Amino acid sequence: AQSVTQLGSHVSVSEGALVLLRCNYSSSVPPYLFWYVQYPNQGLQLLLKYTTGATLVKGINGFEAEFKKSETSFHLTKPSAHMSDAAEYFCAVRRGSPGTYKYIFGTGTRLKVLA
Amino acid sequence: DARVTQTPRHKVTEMGQEVTMRCQPILGHNTVFWYRQTMMQGLELLAYFRNRAPLDDSGMPKDRFSAEMPDATLATLKIQPSEPRDSAVYFCASGTGTGWTGELFFGEGSRLTVL
Repeated sequence: AQSVTQLGSHVSVSEGALVLLRCNYSSSVPPYLFWYVQYPNQGLQLLLKYTTGATLVKGINGFEAEFKKSETSFHLTKPSAHMSDAAEYFCAVRRGSPGTYKYIFGTGTRLKVLA
Repeated sequence: DARVTQTPRHKVTEMGQEVTMRCQPILGHNTVFWYRQTMMQGLELLAYFRNRAPLDDSGMPKDRFSAEMPDATLATLKIQPSEPRDSAVYFCASGTGTGWTGELFFGEGSRLTVL
């Protein structure tokens, strides 16, 4: 079954430093992969997604992720962290067949940005 | 500004009481998901619907939970009787149908506390 694993439930970075949040997936077919962000007391919102085509995907707020089939990874990066990036980040994979797709989320990584 | 609307935002109830949470998906979206978020389990998929028909509710405790879509503009999640272990944030998310590449739009959640 397709699933995702997020390494590190908490990550701390200094403001201006590189952000790297890790996600590995297991899938027997080419996956659709997503990163969502959740700010306190809010729902999740889409950061970026990989479906087909270019393996480097750019999202909102300066985030990007690279799909690496050989490593079964879809890590999220941002060159320079901002205080406003503090939030919880979820990797997700789409499972199922046309008409019955569902979305399975990782356990989340809480990002803390230090001044 | 199209968005998923959930009510109530907060609910405190006593064990044994019935709880009903409601979700209004974005107009035109034909797929609705219910997720439960807790610190221990993260985001769990409870049930989802397409064109108002339930596709999968295997994530739901059947003896006390029920999910329905009385019409295209309303999805409900009911717990009867509620138990303290049901305390969580319940999210509704919606998406479109054929050709959809998978972005889910989340509501702000219903935070349930069962005493």
